[in-house]
Amino acid sequence: EAGVAQSPRYKIIEKRQSVAFWCNPISGHATLYWYQQILGQGPKLLIQFQNNGVVDDSQLPKDRFSAERLKGVDSTLKIQPAKLEDSAVYLCASSLNSNTEAFFGQGTRLTVV
Amino acid sequence: AQTVTQSQPEMSVQEAETVTLSCTYDTSESNYYLFWYKQPPSRQMILVIRQEAYKQQNATENRFSVNFQKAAKSFSLKISDSQLGDTAMYFCAFMKQGNNNDMRFGAGTRLTVKP
Repeated sequence: EAGVAQSPRYKIIEKRQSVAFWCNPISGHATLYWYQQILGQGPKLLIQFQNNGVVDDSQLPKDRFSAERLKGVDSTLKIQPAKLEDSAVYLCASSLNSNTEAFFGQGTRLTVV
Repeated sequence: AQTVTQSQPEMSVQEAETVTLSCTYDTSESNYYLFWYKQPPSRQMILVIRQEAYKQQNATENRFSVNFQKAAKSFSLKISDSQLGDTAMYFCAFMKQGNNNDMRFGAGTRLTVKP
């Protein structure tokens, strides 16, 4: 069974630029999460989708971050414009439903300079 | 909102010995799930073990077991016969039951297994 796929693995951008990350969850998984993991910290939930609807985006900085999950499968997370403090690993995870364990991708390491 | 606390930033253990990682959480929910995830240097989070709050029996997965104390809101992970491949960051996670499951992680414990 293929796991959660994320791209790119690494990205370096200058502050004020924009960036987008892509996630392809495990086939059949209805729930999709985006987490931000700053170095030395635990993952922090940014947004949770159930199919193509947003369940929780309370911790998403909506002035600069946006996410979508068209057709309830793939998802993209965008940052525009980026700030230095956005430097982190962005993890995508999916689960069969909202009451089962999440499976994670390898993450995208973003460096904002 | 739920909070998860891991009070041990770093721990080390000799190969083949046993180590216990601590986790406490705060919630007003009665139905929830708890997890331990492992994150090696490759960055991929891997599920180690899962516990349903309604189950009194502690979960076990081979060398990994938990001590779940619901009243004390404590969920520790015991690793027996530690192996070099167990070296990683370990994260405790809490998840409510329901659609908006508010899955939250602790700050992590860096475990080093020494030969």
